[in-house]
Amino acid sequence: DAKTTQPTSMDCAEGRAANLPCNHSTISGNEYVYWYRQIHSQGPQYIIHGLKNNETNEMASLIITEDRKSSTLILPHATLRDTAVYYCIVRVGGGGFKTIFGAGTRLFVKA
Amino acid sequence: GAVVSQHPSRVICKSGTSVKIECRSLDFQATTMFWYRQFPKQSLMLMATSNEGSKATYEQGVEKDKFLINHASLTLSTLTVTSAHPEDSSFYICSAYYSTYGETQYFGPGTRLLVL
Repeated sequence: DAKTTQPTSMDCAEGRAANLPCNHSTISGNEYVYWYRQIHSQGPQYIIHGLKNNETNEMASLIITEDRKSSTLILPHATLRDTAVYYCIVRVGGGGFKTIFGAGTRLFVKA
Repeated sequence: GAVVSQHPSRVICKSGTSVKIECRSLDFQATTMFWYRQFPKQSLMLMATSNEGSKATYEQGVEKDKFLINHASLTLSTLTVTSAHPEDSSFYICSAYYSTYGETQYFGPGTRLLVL
């Protein structure tokens, strides 16, 4: 699986958009970009995933660059409950494949 | 999304005893389940992949005789920590895959194990 690089931590003001970057310059053509988050002392929560097109759901938007070497997760209106560690993971599609977690980005949403 | 539960949510045991943790997919049948371990302030570490009806595949460095995994049905996988020691104290998390929900896995809430 390709490796990803994320900032260690980020701050965001409540109500503002949170933009979390991820670099995955060695991504292969059949690998997807997945985002999960983990709130303290809970299991990870699936957020969104994509292959090459931008994706949006009720939680977030995923913007993938044209060369697929980086992506950005956007939480449009961050709330205090969005404070968590966000993991960007690149792997082959299909839930039956194992998911390897990196260090992630610790997002602090401040009032 | 799919719901995955774990039981117990928290367990304290004495050194040398064995502890069983259950992972259940509540509203779907999971062909594959995964077990992770997470130490404080660290990321999740994959321990093993469990396929229904077959032996689990362990990651390098994970002792299969110490961490027994059983996936006897499509809705239940168990992790047994045998002869637990204080260094096994950790947060254990499972995840499950169901093809109808597409290309993702759903995670349980985790089980916190404390070995005294």
